Amino acid sequence: GDSVTQMEGPVTLSEEAFLTINCTYTATGYPSLFWYVQYPGEGLQLLLKATKADDKGSNKGFEATYRKETTSFHLEKGSVQVSDSAVYFCALSDNLSGGSYIPTFGRGTSLIVHP
Amino acid sequence: KAGVTQTPRYLIKTRGQQVTLSCSPISGHRSVSWYQQTPGQGLQFLFEYFSETQRNKGNFPGRFSGRQFSNSRSEMNVSTLELGDSALYLCASSLGRDSNYGYTFGSGTRLTVV
Repeated sequence: GDSVTQMEGPVTLSEEAFLTINCTYTATGYPSLFWYVQYPGEGLQLLLKATKADDKGSNKGFEATYRKETTSFHLEKGSVQVSDSAVYFCALSDNLSGGSYIPTFGRGTSLIVHP
Repeated sequence: KAGVTQTPRYLIKTRGQQVTLSCSPISGHRSVSWYQQTPGQGLQFLFEYFSETQRNKGNFPGRFSGRQFSNSRSEMNVSTLELGDSALYLCASSLGRDSNYGYTFGSGTRLTVV
């Protein structure tokens, strides 16, 4: 079945450092890929998405590129801020025959940014 | 526009009781899904409703049930609560049943079973 593997956290960085959170996936079909962010005490928010190979999703300075050849969708940001401290979830959604599109989520990676 | 609204935000229940959680999706969103989030298991899919019909169900016991109303609002019910049911329950709505759509999540209901 479909699965998403994320690097384990927490990832601890200083403000203005470069961020990479690795995400790889296995899927039966040709999935769409997503990054979600969860701030303390809140639900998940869609951060960015990519629906086909070589697409780059971007939002709020975060970027991720859909790499079909390496089945990866790594999240990057050039300069993190304290306010980026949160848990980040990689997810895939796969239109299998029969219409099942329920997203599969990774376990989440906690990011802690120090001033 | 209003986001996904979940009520209540917090609940404390005793073992053996039952609980009902409510979710109002974004206006126009017809698909509503429920997830259980725990530190040990992460996000686990409970069920999905579309046009008042349950379309998918996760691997949870029959104590967990849900329904969707004609206005797309959804409720989930857990009967005979166990300590292990303590979790953050998240509702998410989507515009349609397609892999290209993302989910919009509510802030969740934090259920504590004592």
